[in-house]
Parts: sequence; C-alpha cells; structure tokens
Amino acid sequence: NAGVTQTPKFRVLKTGQSMTLLCAQDMNHEYMYWYRQDPGMGLRLIHYSVGEGTTAKGEVPDGYNVSRLKKQNFLLGLESAAPSQTSVYFCASSSTGAGEQFFGPGTRLTVL
Amino acid sequence: AQSVTQLGSHVSVSEGALVLLRCNYSSSVPPYLFWYVQYPNQGLQLLLKYTTGATLVKGINGFEAEFKKSETSFHLTKPSAHMSDAAEYFCAVSETPGNQFYFGTGTSLTVIP
Repeated sequence: NAGVTQTPKFRVLKTGQSMTLLCAQDMNHEYMYWYRQDPGMGLRLIHYSVGEGTTAKGEVPDGYNVSRLKKQNFLLGLESAAPSQTSVYFCASSSTGAGEQFFGPGTRLTVL
Repeated sequence: AQSVTQLGSHVSVSEGALVLLRCNYSSSVPPYLFWYVQYPNQGLQLLLKYTTGATLVKGINGFEAEFKKSETSFHLTKPSAHMSDAAEYFCAVSETPGNQFYFGTGTSLTVIP
C-alpha cells in the first residue's frame, strides 16, 4: 500500500498562474481533506469530501476549488495563484470522520 | 466553532526528562481528540486518539494522554524524552463522525542531550 500520495512535491508559480494538486489514496477511504500549513498557524482545512462526488468548504476555502470525481482521488485547484497561497499543502484521508486521518507527504508551493 | 489551544509553541527538555505538551479545547459536546507528530519535511503521523472509553490513552513511542472533561484538556506526556522525540506535535479535535478536524497551532519539541 502506498497510502496517501501527493503530486507534485514542489512547485513554483508566478502570480496569476493556475495549477492542480493531485491527492491519491489506495485505502478505499470515504473521507478526504486538503489542508494548508503555515508557520505559527498549524493546519487549516481548505476543503473536504465525505465521499465520491461530494465536496464541502473548510475553514479557508477562498481561492481554491476541489473535485472528487473518483473515490481514490481528490484534486485541489488554484485558478489564479497569489503570494498569500505560498504554503505547504497536505492531503489526508480517513475511513470515518472520527477515525485516524492518514496524511500525504505534502506539497511545497511558492507563489512569486 | 471549535478551538484548540496548545500552550507553548516551543518546549525544550533534557534527554531522559519528562515530556509534557499541553492541549485545551472548547467543545459543547464530547469530542474526539487526537495527537499527531510531524518530523521535519514529512506529513503528520497519529500518536494516539481518544474517542470513547478509558480516559487514559496510550500511543506509540511511549506517549500517552489523558482526557479530562472537567478541564477540557488532553495533555500529552512521556516519562523519559529521547533524542528521536524532537519534532512538531499537533493536538486535534473533532466533534462528531464526519465532521472536520480542528488543529492546534503546534508545539515544537527540542530534546537537549
């Protein structure tokens, strides 16, 4: 089992560019999450999904969109990147909402 | 809304000394509580969790935590620190199954030889 994988690991964007981060899990989990981690602020939830075809907003959804077309994949999109979106992005999945969340290794994004 | 407070963004202990990392939460209903550890340039790993039952929870690597409802606390302890315990530790709370997690801002643990 690969667990939770994230693509890419690093990315540098210019302001206004767009990109998509891919999260994949092979544990057949229903729930998937996207977080951003910034110094001194812990992890903040961007969007989450409670099953294939569903998405919901988290704490900091502005500037991001997500899609869950397949159960194993959860995509995070930035339509027009801004320097404030420079961060480390983590994807996680869980079998239930109260259960352990399994985290990917993270994507380090820099927006110039 | 939930809030999770981790007192002390940086904690230093000597090797072999007691580790105590504090976590307080606000919740109007019985919460689900978690401690995660993050090593440099890695994702988060679960240390332990409390959902129901015994309030003293044992986790991996010798860590344990006690849920104290009256104090709304879930402090993490380890009797004897090891150099390999140096990492960032996050407390997290979820109110109900299916609900989102709320993370504290993290505590960076340094172990001094």
